[in-house]
Amino acid sequence: ELKVEQNPLFLSMQEGKNYTIYCNYSTTSDRLYWYRQDPGKSLESLFVLLSNGAVKQEGRLMASLDTKARLSTLHITAAVHDLSATYFCAVAGGSQGNLIFGKGTKLSVKP
Amino acid sequence: EPEVTQTPSHQVTQMGQEVILRCVPISNHLYFYWYRQILGQKVEFLVSFYNNEISEKSEIFDDQFSVERPDGSNFTLKIRSTKLEDSAMYFCASTLGGANTEAFFGQGTRLTVV
Repeated sequence: ELKVEQNPLFLSMQEGKNYTIYCNYSTTSDRLYWYRQDPGKSLESLFVLLSNGAVKQEGRLMASLDTKARLSTLHITAAVHDLSATYFCAVAGGSQGNLIFGKGTKLSVKP
Repeated sequence: EPEVTQTPSHQVTQMGQEVILRCVPISNHLYFYWYRQILGQKVEFLVSFYNNEISEKSEIFDDQFSVERPDGSNFTLKIRSTKLEDSAMYFCASTLGGANTEAFFGQGTRLTVV
């Protein structure tokens, strides 16, 4: 059974600081996704990582994938309050594209 | 920009009643999914649907659940006899080509069973 683990589950940061969220998964997969969720809202796609060594950046967020280590990271650079949200990683659980999600990391960026 | 739309946004139902949650996937997408998220918890896969049939389902998707694509645009999730523990946010998603393609999620339906 595929398991996806994120850490930390809660992260309180000061504006301007850097931090990394980690996502480990238990079986071989070369497809990993990061989503953002604001309270009471839907899931917004941030990154789709489809191969070993993939690195993608959007603004202050950068995601990478190491399929050999079964690890993805989401790095936050110089955090701002607008980044406060819950971030989920998800791994493709089968050939049909269904996703297995981690528990999410609730990020709070304080001034 | 194309989007997945879901209705209603919030539904309150009595325990034991049947509910139907509706979704309109992105028009050229071929794979459709339902997920649920119990308040404060992670998102859980329920079922995937392709070529007018269920292609994969999780342990959560038992006989109380069914999905249907009644016409060319709608994709529905039916819960036959709701239980209190079915209270959750239900998300519909669609992809163009299944695995390796990006999943787009609807805004969700908040189901409250009382």
